[in-house]
Amino acid sequence: LAKTTQPISMDSYEGQEVNITCSHNNIATNDYITWYQQFPSQGPRFIIQGYKTKVTNEVASLFIPADRKSSTLSLPRVSLSDTAVYYCLVAGNTGGFKTIFGAGTRLFVKA
Amino acid sequence: SAVISQKPSRDICQRGTSLTIQCQVDSQVTMMFWYRQQPGQSLTLIATANQGSEATYESGFVIDKFPISRPNLTFSTLTVSNMSPEDSSIYLCSVIPGQNTGELFFGEGSRLTVL
Repeated sequence: LAKTTQPISMDSYEGQEVNITCSHNNIATNDYITWYQQFPSQGPRFIIQGYKTKVTNEVASLFIPADRKSSTLSLPRVSLSDTAVYYCLVAGNTGGFKTIFGAGTRLFVKA
Repeated sequence: SAVISQKPSRDICQRGTSLTIQCQVDSQVTMMFWYRQQPGQSLTLIATANQGSEATYESGFVIDKFPISRPNLTFSTLTVSNMSPEDSSIYLCSVIPGQNTGELFFGEGSRLTVL
């Protein structure tokens, strides 16, 4: 299973764009890259998923370079409520979609 | 998508006792997993709950300590046996409704405190 590496923590201010980069050097051909958000006392929640290039939804954008060995989650104009832990995960059907969580990135958004 | 209900949401247990956590999904799902999240830590995969057969456990987790049942495609239980304070944690059930991309959906978790 591909291991992921992310910064342990990041600080930002309201209204700023936040980019969290994740490295996954041994990603497999059929692995997808998925980002989750977790608030205290809640289960992780899906944010965005991609395979290659760029994906955008109403919450975030995901940038994946051609070699797929890293990915960047972009949160536009963060607010205080975006303070959470963000997990980058890679998984595919070869591994039965068994998903191993890394340490995640604790994002603190300040007023 | 999938809506997952876990019971109990929280409990306080005595050392040496066992507790069974239930996970109910609003639709049939093939893939179901149990995770543990200790205070301030990331999630650790305990096992894959297989419908109609024995669960597949990750390294460090054994069936005697964490027996899992999966009688059908919408329901599973995880039992934490012979609990000690080190078992105090949040236990989360998660599912993958579709097999194409592996998007996980989580329940709200069951917070166990062992005294």
